[in-house]
Parts: sequence; structure tokens; C-alpha cells
Amino acid sequence: KQEVTQIPAALSVPEGENLVLNCSFTDSAIYNLQWFRQDPGKGLTSLLLIQSSQREQTSGRLNASLDKSSGRSTLYIAASQPGDSATYLCAVLSRGSTLGRLYFGRGTQLTVWP
Amino acid sequence: NAGVTQTPKFQVLKTGQSMTLQCAQDMNHNSMYWYRQDPGMGLRLIYYSASEGTTDKGEVPNGYNVSRLNKREFSLRLESAAPSQTSVYFCASSEGGGQWETQYFGPGTRLLVL
Repeated sequence: KQEVTQIPAALSVPEGENLVLNCSFTDSAIYNLQWFRQDPGKGLTSLLLIQSSQREQTSGRLNASLDKSSGRSTLYIAASQPGDSATYLCAVLSRGSTLGRLYFGRGTQLTVWP
Repeated sequence: NAGVTQTPKFQVLKTGQSMTLQCAQDMNHNSMYWYRQDPGMGLRLIYYSASEGTTDKGEVPNGYNVSRLNKREFSLRLESAAPSQTSVYFCASSEGGGQWETQYFGPGTRLLVL
């Protein structure tokens, strides 16, 4: 069974810092990996989706990389802002599962203070 | 476009009571999903519907039933609620459940079973 781990569980940084969130998964046979953002009391919003054949995806200040062979992904946030404060979730779509069935990590709770 | 909507937003039940969580999407998506999110556990798939007229079990289906009423609506029913079902429930949808897609999430229903 696919297991997804996110480190650290929580992170608190001052505004302006560049930071890295980590995600690891146990089964490298995946279709894709996604990073989501979850604000308190809200649903999930997809930030980036990386296909298994890709190495990275970028959107604005966000850059996600994927090393499928080692089972790792990182989400890089440049020049962090207080508005980036949220929980970031990593999810993988395993080849062994029915399409659409995502396996989620427990998330990294990020606080960016002014 | 409302996206994915869920009702109710919050519910308190007594053990043994029943209730139905409602979900609707206006994006003409074929696939819909129900997840639960528990502290320290991440999101886990309860049931999904790949297309109108079909439903399948996910990772944690026990104690739940679902109905894909039409293409827009996918409901989750608790026949006899238990304290272990206290959780936040998220509905999601995607175009067809394929490997190139992301899922769009509703705002969640917070359920407390006493």
C-alpha cells in the first residue's frame, strides 16, 4: 500500500524567507504527484501537478520537483508571505490503484509571520 | 460557477442517528469522491463514483453508503452514526478520473457524533 510522508509537520518562518517542504512516498509506480493548499476551515486547492514523466513544475513563486526513483518531491516557496500561511498537502496517484484514488500525506502546517 | 458545494457545513449527531451529506458540482465532471480527514491521518477515500450510475468502495467504506443521484450530485449516508465517524468530510470531483487531472474539493462538512 502506498504511504506518503511529509516533513516537517509544522514550520514557522519570517516573511521573505525561501523555504522547502518535503514529501516522500513508498511506491515509485505513480501516475502523478500533486501539491494542495488547505486553509483553516476550507477545502483543498490544487497548486501544482507533476506527471510521473516530469521533473518539475512551476507556478509563480512555487516550484515543485519530483524524483520518482527515490520517492521524493519538494515544494519550494520563494520569498514567503503571510498569505502563504496554510497547510500544504502532498498526494500521489498510484499506478496500482484505481484511477482517481489519491494517497495523501498528513500535511505541513506553514506559518509565515510579518 | 460555484464549483463543488457541500451541505450542511456542520452537524452534531447522537450515536445511532442517521444523516445524509449532500454534494453537488457544476463543472460537468464525470467523477466524484468522498473523503474523510482526521487529525494526524490525512485524507482517506471513502467511496468514489467514476461516472454517473457507478460507485465503488475506497479505503474506509465501512459504515457508509453513497448514491450518485445524477451527474451533478453525489451523497454520502451514515445509517447509524458512531463516535468514530466524527471527522471532516470532503467531496471532490474531476473530469474523468484520469492521470492528467486534478480533483476539485468542496469546503467540507464538519461532523461531530456524540
